Amino acid sequence: DIQMTQSPSSLSASVGDRVTITCRTSQTIKNYLNWYQQKPGTAPKLLIFAASSLQSGVPARFSGSGSGTDFTLTITTLQPEDVATYYCQQSYATTWTFGQGTKVEIK
Amino acid sequence: QVQLEQSGAEVKKPGSSVKVSCEASGGTFDKFGINWVRQAPGQGLEWMGSIVPVFGITKYAQKFQGRVTITAAKSTSTAYMDLSSLKSEDTAVYYCARANVVVIGTIPYSYYMDVWGKGTTVIVSS
Repeated sequence: DIQMTQSPSSLSASVGDRVTITCRTSQTIKNYLNWYQQKPGTAPKLLIFAASSLQSGVPARFSGSGSGTDFTLTITTLQPEDVATYYCQQSYATTWTFGQGTKVEIK
Repeated sequence: QVQLEQSGAEVKKPGSSVKVSCEASGGTFDKFGINWVRQAPGQGLEWMGSIVPVFGITKYAQKFQGRVTITAAKSTSTAYMDLSSLKSEDTAVYYCARANVVVIGTIPYSYYMDVWGKGTTVIVSS
């Protein structure tokens, strides 16, 4: 299986801050990388697909970049409603895998 | 707009099996893949496997091979996930999710899960 390593595992930032989460894979996955947001007690929500494509309806403050083995999710201006856990996920291999998640809190 | 409706919560004994359903409404069912993802209490997301109903092709995570069976009934637009030999560690919320695909020409460019069910809680306890 392709291993996914997210960092940091958690972070605390102020409203308005720029937040960056990274995801590294154990082998190249081209751009087959997706990002999801999950709030407590709810199903995950797709934010970014194909590494950098913004899902319809997702605010433009979310963006994704990267290819190969290194990827980044950026929130340009953190909002209170962005408190959640964020997961990367690869769909390159036959079997798919998720990163371990990054919990984002407001300072 | 496709929606995925999952079956209700289950409480099972260790060693037994559970079958969770996922019914699609509001759109085409069989040309997309349906994935199953679980989340144990306080833990992250874990991909279990998938099915493409139109072909009946399934894929399973190595961890669940031999214990999970994913099927689909095109006539009712419903996918099923059957997990056997349940252990307490299988206590989790089980989600189904539609796999969409970006195609450029005839080449799949990316796969992603864009529609999710609300989840089914399965508790395994003696």
